Amino acid sequence: DAGITQSPRYKITETGRQVTLMCHQTWSHSYMFWYRQDLGHGLRLIYYSAAADITDKGEVPDGYVVSRSKTENFPLTLESATRSQTSVYFCASTLTSGGSGELFFGEGSRLTVL
Amino acid sequence: GNSVTQMEGPVTLSEEAFLTINCTYTATGYPSLFWYVQYPGEGLQLLLKATKADDKGSNKGFEATYRKETTSFHLEKGSVQVSDSAVYFCALSAVHSGSARQLTFGSGTQLTVLP
Repeated sequence: DAGITQSPRYKITETGRQVTLMCHQTWSHSYMFWYRQDLGHGLRLIYYSAAADITDKGEVPDGYVVSRSKTENFPLTLESATRSQTSVYFCASTLTSGGSGELFFGEGSRLTVL
Repeated sequence: GNSVTQMEGPVTLSEEAFLTINCTYTATGYPSLFWYVQYPGEGLQLLLKATKADDKGSNKGFEATYRKETTSFHLEKGSVQVSDSAVYFCALSAVHSGSARQLTFGSGTQLTVLP
């Protein structure tokens, strides 16, 4: 199916473990984003990418790593998970320059760090 | 920096009631303004947008007018339905710290419509 898909949808892990959240889009959108959603904070930008091999930090990048070797994929890695990273993570993409057009969101990945 | 402040929730209304969710913003330059909606268990989707002052965005009976003089973009609907129950996010798009334009979101307002 066309669109933007995230995996896994649900993940439980332990403090200190590495976790990778996957994001795949089929539209060939240039821009991709990772947000985290926490009660009372809305969505906060973690990292974004303007094209393959071009990534940049957002508002809350600490503890996260991203890569973009292919236009369609934008994985987010927590190298050593902490309880404060328990959240719902959303991947999004857009064709036009970042933020000026409509963002298309995945369904989210709910991560619990014990 | 850029910021969005929206009405605290939760908001509970009866079907066919009038809805207003307030949103104000702070931004440099000329932001575009958006309302996104998140239905239970889903990602966000664009509800409406306005790209310049005095523009009115509308969709599915919802409306919002870009008011530069009051830096506001309040969401309204004349008669809500149970199916409108969702979380609503106000957002702006503007240049952030000299880099590409980015979306800044408000904290979200949970709306519950009772039959």
